[in-house]
Amino acid sequence: AQSVTQLDSQVPVFEEAPVELRCNYSSSVSVYLFWYVQYPNQGLQLLLKYLSGSTLVKGINGFEAEFNKSQTSFHLRKPSVHISDTAEYFCAVTYSGGGNTPLVFGKGTRLSVIA
Amino acid sequence: GAVVSQHPSWVICKSGTSVKIECRSLDFQATTMFWYRQFPKQSLMLMATSNEGSKATYEQGVEKDKFLINHASLTLSTLTVTSAHPEDSSFYICSARARQGRNYGYTFGSGTRLTVV
Repeated sequence: AQSVTQLDSQVPVFEEAPVELRCNYSSSVSVYLFWYVQYPNQGLQLLLKYLSGSTLVKGINGFEAEFNKSQTSFHLRKPSVHISDTAEYFCAVTYSGGGNTPLVFGKGTRLSVIA
Repeated sequence: GAVVSQHPSWVICKSGTSVKIECRSLDFQATTMFWYRQFPKQSLMLMATSNEGSKATYEQGVEKDKFLINHASLTLSTLTVTSAHPEDSSFYICSARARQGRNYGYTFGSGTRLTVV
């Protein structure tokens, strides 16, 4: 089984400052990794995903993440945040071997951008 | 891109009544649908997995007789909360997976806020 740990439940950051949201996963098999953003009372929007290939993944809204297999991490970064980035961010993992495997989510990190 | 339409967005019902939530994949065939539940300020917890034309597989602790899932076609899955009680109040989100392809996508509905009074 897979699991995800998001080390920070809340991250406050000033506008235009860089941010890193941390995610570590646990799995005995190879995995795919995802980051989603959720605005209040809305569903989830995919920011980026790692399936294979380059370990640096670029996503929407200026976000990027780096897959580090040795550290079992998939941290999300943005060099300069905006007020509109205030939201809940979820890291998720699933087995890469195919089949009907669901996403397993971390507990989420609340990013608050301060003007 | 892939779109999943989830309705209703919010619903208030009386205790003891049933509520049906629909998720439709608008531009792709959803071979698998996942139903999640999210309590305030918490993560998404998987309730069940359903494949088109077959019975849903429920996670441990989820009452299958209370949360009825139907996935009768490749574009529609429904979750019915039967005899709802206030403790069933939550945010319910569906996620559809298309036949495995290059994009390997999980597409989420916009969620349904259920309040049982």
